Amino acid sequence: EAGVTQFPSHSVIEKGQTVTLRCDPISGHDNLYWYRRVMGKEIKFLLHFVKESKQDESGMPNNRFLAERTGGTYSTLKVQPAELEDSGVYFCASSPLGSGRGHNEQFFGPGTRLTVL
Amino acid sequence: SQQGEEDPQALSIQEGENATMNCSYKTSINNLQWYRQNSGRGLVHLILIRSNEREKHSGRLRVTLDTSKKSSSLLITASRAADTASYFCATDRSGNTGKLIFGQGTTLQVKP
Repeated sequence: EAGVTQFPSHSVIEKGQTVTLRCDPISGHDNLYWYRRVMGKEIKFLLHFVKESKQDESGMPNNRFLAERTGGTYSTLKVQPAELEDSGVYFCASSPLGSGRGHNEQFFGPGTRLTVL
Repeated sequence: SQQGEEDPQALSIQEGENATMNCSYKTSINNLQWYRQNSGRGLVHLILIRSNEREKHSGRLRVTLDTSKKSSSLLITASRAADTASYFCATDRSGNTGKLIFGQGTTLQVKP
């Protein structure tokens, strides 16, 4: 069974440009999470989808970030326009729904390393 | 401030020795999880311990949880060079929907 995949693995863009990151969760996983690790800091939660609905987007830094999960399968995270402080590694994770609170292991993708110059 | 703080931040040991990493957190939790990240790779789930559990084992890993002290420890016994990685604890807070709060991690180097 394929794990969580993310594309691209690495993106280098200039300040002001737009970048779209993609995450394909494990098939059948209704929960999908985005996290980010900025250099030297801890991994921080960005948002959580249940199927196609945003369950919690409290971690989204500002309105330059837009996440979608049309159809409840793969998700995209768009940064527009990108700023220098957006550089970091963006992780996606998924987990099945209905395992019960307190029992959920999250399966992480390899991450997308974003560099904004 | 971010909850989930590990110590030490960096640990260097010889192969065969045991490695102990600690994690503290601030609020009540549903569970606490430990993850490993090899350089340039994704996070790999190691073990999950629920708030009503005190100790859990998985292979060479032993995790303890003390909810009264809001702390956890990860022990890797008989370490191997392949255990070299960064280790993170993450908490799933009570009332949340699975959102994980991560610590800054412990970088472990196991010398052959």
